[in-house]
Amino acid sequence: GAGVSQSPSNKVTEKGKDVELRCDPISGHTALYWYRQSLGQGLEFLIYFQGNSAPDKSGLPSDRFSAERTGGSVSTLTIQRTQQEDSAVYLCASSSDRVQPQHFGDGTRLSIL
Amino acid sequence: GQQLNQSPQSMFIQEGEDVSMNCTSSSIFNTWLWYKQEPGEGPVLLIALYKAGELTSNGRLTAQFGITRKDSFLNISASIPSDVGIYFCAGQLRSSNTGKLIFGQGTTLQVKP
Repeated sequence: GAGVSQSPSNKVTEKGKDVELRCDPISGHTALYWYRQSLGQGLEFLIYFQGNSAPDKSGLPSDRFSAERTGGSVSTLTIQRTQQEDSAVYLCASSSDRVQPQHFGDGTRLSIL
Repeated sequence: GQQLNQSPQSMFIQEGEDVSMNCTSSSIFNTWLWYKQEPGEGPVLLIALYKAGELTSNGRLTAQFGITRKDSFLNISASIPSDVGIYFCAGQLRSSNTGKLIFGQGTTLQVKP
């Protein structure tokens, strides 16, 4: 498709398990972002990738969170030893560069039991 | 962390009425963006603003980048039922060397037919 694609759309898991969330950015977009949206809240920045540069990880809330971007395209956000407070919608966005507007996927709704 | 103060938090209006919402900050922004989010979906870009004082329209929507670079407003004229959703302002800080967005808390708009 033409937009940002995220999978899975919903994920329910038990506390303590690891989860992987995937993002396929818009083709040709070099900048990729992950955000987290808790219930009824605005979006909170997590991590930013731009081409082959070192990512900006300043928004990751703990060392249980990590992300990678392979081949400058697909990105995976991994949460280890999940906690209930990790329950949120995880949104991915991409743009043609860091100045251009970001376009969002529909997110992964993560629920930790 | 950095914060955008978005108001009002919610609005319940009659179809045909005009709507105004705004965002303010103590920090200076290089870019202001307005997004709309509907249930189960990611934010969709409405308007992007890049220069202080810039006034931009997109159909019935009009947004402005404040002269001080610390605020922005969004107006919706002649509201219709499909305008229902959550509207977010977002900005890129002048001090940022990445494209990460700072988001407001959102304005929930309900339109009564």
